[in-house]
Amino acid sequence: AQSVTQLDSHVSVSEGTPVLLRCNYSSSYSPSLFWYVQHPNKGLQLLLKYTSAATLVKGINGFEAEFKKSETSFHLTKPSAHMSDAAEYFCVVSVGGSYQKVTFGTGTKLQVIP
Amino acid sequence: NAGVTQTPKFRILKIGQSMTLQCTQDMNHNYMYWYRQDPGMGLKLIYYSVGAGITDKGEVPNGYNVSRSTTEDFPLRLELAAPSQTSVYFCASSPGLAGGGETQYFGPGTRLLVL
Repeated sequence: AQSVTQLDSHVSVSEGTPVLLRCNYSSSYSPSLFWYVQHPNKGLQLLLKYTSAATLVKGINGFEAEFKKSETSFHLTKPSAHMSDAAEYFCVVSVGGSYQKVTFGTGTKLQVIP
Repeated sequence: NAGVTQTPKFRILKIGQSMTLQCTQDMNHNYMYWYRQDPGMGLKLIYYSVGAGITDKGEVPNGYNVSRSTTEDFPLRLELAAPSQTSVYFCASSPGLAGGGETQYFGPGTRLLVL
């Protein structure tokens, strides 16, 4: 079984300040982990993914995430928020091999205050 | 490159009506998926397909049907619409199976309201 928990449903930051969106997961297998972003009335777009290579993963638009196996976490960060970062962010865990399943978190809505 | 396209963008249905949500991808991906997104919830998998002629149920298949006659198209059919099917529906595709770490490419969604 696997699960993913996004610890905050809403996060509000001021423009130019750091962003931290938290994600914890559980999985009986070695997982792949993703962050997707969804802008209003748009489909989901991949920000970054971890697939058992480097634990610090860099994505688009200055975002990065660190896979911490000991803490079962995959938090998303950005040093300086931009107004265009306002969106909903989904953490996703997937396992492959003979058991393929993709589980989405419930999402974190990021508000950026000018 | 259009990617994944979905039609219609928005639809209102009466209880008991039927409709087909269309999904087309032009990336020659073998794997395609239908999800529904309810407020405050993560996406739930309805059906998926690993290639033309092959489909399988996801987590929430009841009330839906799919077919995959070509690589490009993966329509989702609602036979007897119910208020519980009010949701936003996303189609996605991937070059390999998403559970294996492949990136999924999403369409813009279809917003469905059943009254």
